[in-house]
Amino acid sequence: GDSVTQMEGPVTLSEEAFLTINCTYTATGYPSLFWYVQYPGEGLQLLLKATKADDKGSNKGFEATYRKETTSFHLEKGSVQVSDSAVYFCALRYNQGGKLIFGQGTELSVKP
Amino acid sequence: GAVVSQHPSWVICKSGTSVKIECRSLDFQATTMFWYRQFPKQSLMLMATSNEGSKATYEQGVEKDKFLINHASLTLSTLTVTSAHPEDSSFYICSASVIVGRGYEKLFFGSGTQLSVL
Repeated sequence: GDSVTQMEGPVTLSEEAFLTINCTYTATGYPSLFWYVQYPGEGLQLLLKATKADDKGSNKGFEATYRKETTSFHLEKGSVQVSDSAVYFCALRYNQGGKLIFGQGTELSVKP
Repeated sequence: GAVVSQHPSWVICKSGTSVKIECRSLDFQATTMFWYRQFPKQSLMLMATSNEGSKATYEQGVEKDKFLINHASLTLSTLTVTSAHPEDSSFYICSASVIVGRGYEKLFFGSGTQLSVL
């Protein structure tokens, strides 16, 4: 079946460091891929998405590229801030109204 | 922006008791609500999907008689864990779906409920 695997956290970085959170997926078809972020005490929010192979999603300095050949959707940011401390979830979904399949989440902690 | 209010944010209960978790869409009407749970170090897993006024659709392996979902209005869905046991201890999250603009769907999530059953 379809699944999403993320690197284990927590990830601890200093401010302005480069961030990569790995995400790989297993899919029987051609899903859209998503990154969600959950800040402390808040609900998950969509951070970025990509709907087909080679698409790059980007938002707030974060980027992820849909790589079909490596079945990956790694999240990157060139320079993290303390305010980026949160839990990040990678997910896939085939269509609107359909089921979101999530990874286990990766906690990021950015120190000043 | 649109907000989904979920409460309680955490609850501790004794084995055998029932616990109700509420999920409200505060400034929009949700066509569909989703309920997820997450065990430690595991993925967020969909439990069920519910549409207002109709019975919820449960994912395989989720006991519908144990996890009662009520979606009586377009702004409120509840999940009741009946006769809770320690193995039901988990993090539960709701999500509300709304169709905006040209049939585009937006999803909004509650902040989650940590359930601990003693």
